Amino acid sequence: DQQVKQNSPSLSVQEGRISILNCDYTNSMFDYFLWYKKYPAEGPTFLISISSIKDKNEDGRFTVFLNKSAKHLSLHIVPSQPGDSAVYFCAASGDNYGQNFVFGPGTRLSVLP
Amino acid sequence: EAGVAQSPRYKIIEKRQSVAFWCNPISGHATLYWYQQILGQGPKLLIQFQNNGVVDDSQLPKDRFSAERLKGVDSTLKIQPAKLEDSAVYLCASSCVTGTRNQPQHFGDGTRLSIL
Repeated sequence: DQQVKQNSPSLSVQEGRISILNCDYTNSMFDYFLWYKKYPAEGPTFLISISSIKDKNEDGRFTVFLNKSAKHLSLHIVPSQPGDSAVYFCAASGDNYGQNFVFGPGTRLSVLP
Repeated sequence: EAGVAQSPRYKIIEKRQSVAFWCNPISGHATLYWYQQILGQGPKLLIQFQNNGVVDDSQLPKDRFSAERLKGVDSTLKIQPAKLEDSAVYLCASSCVTGTRNQPQHFGDGTRLSIL
């Protein structure tokens, strides 16, 4: 049973436009969410996080929105740049998971020049 | 700050052979994780250490996989014997603990294992 879902395997966006990556989760005990970015042949790199006490967190061009009632979060990248082309993983954690993070399957973002 | 170091970067073995991976976490990080990432999927936790104790190994196939973290620093993950379905990237990650929560992990670049 996949507890963290990213239903879009891939997304293409024009440079300068907004990229929106979506993530859904099923476990209501999750209370801390992260986004990771992964380039080929490298390990994932932490991008941004959000706690369940917030509904928005912003860091430069990256904003994460959390809708707890819908069990949905999204990552917005504005403006998108070619260097943003990577695989993005959503991950979730809760105290009942021994503080482990459960990862989604990832969305491959391609930013076209 | 030096990152998480993993070796080797690539390994090709035949099924039923043995293989071992090594990880050196970021200095001072108490928590160390081993993940398996199969192509097209997200990382799946195999085992989590807090210092040199095991916190979670519920998803580790213990009949063939083993891991240890001696002295609470470096760690090794072993597969013996390997099966075709073990072909994957094996990622090591480490994190520090603030209060009662683990902070976001720092990942190494992984070991890509191919089983022939």
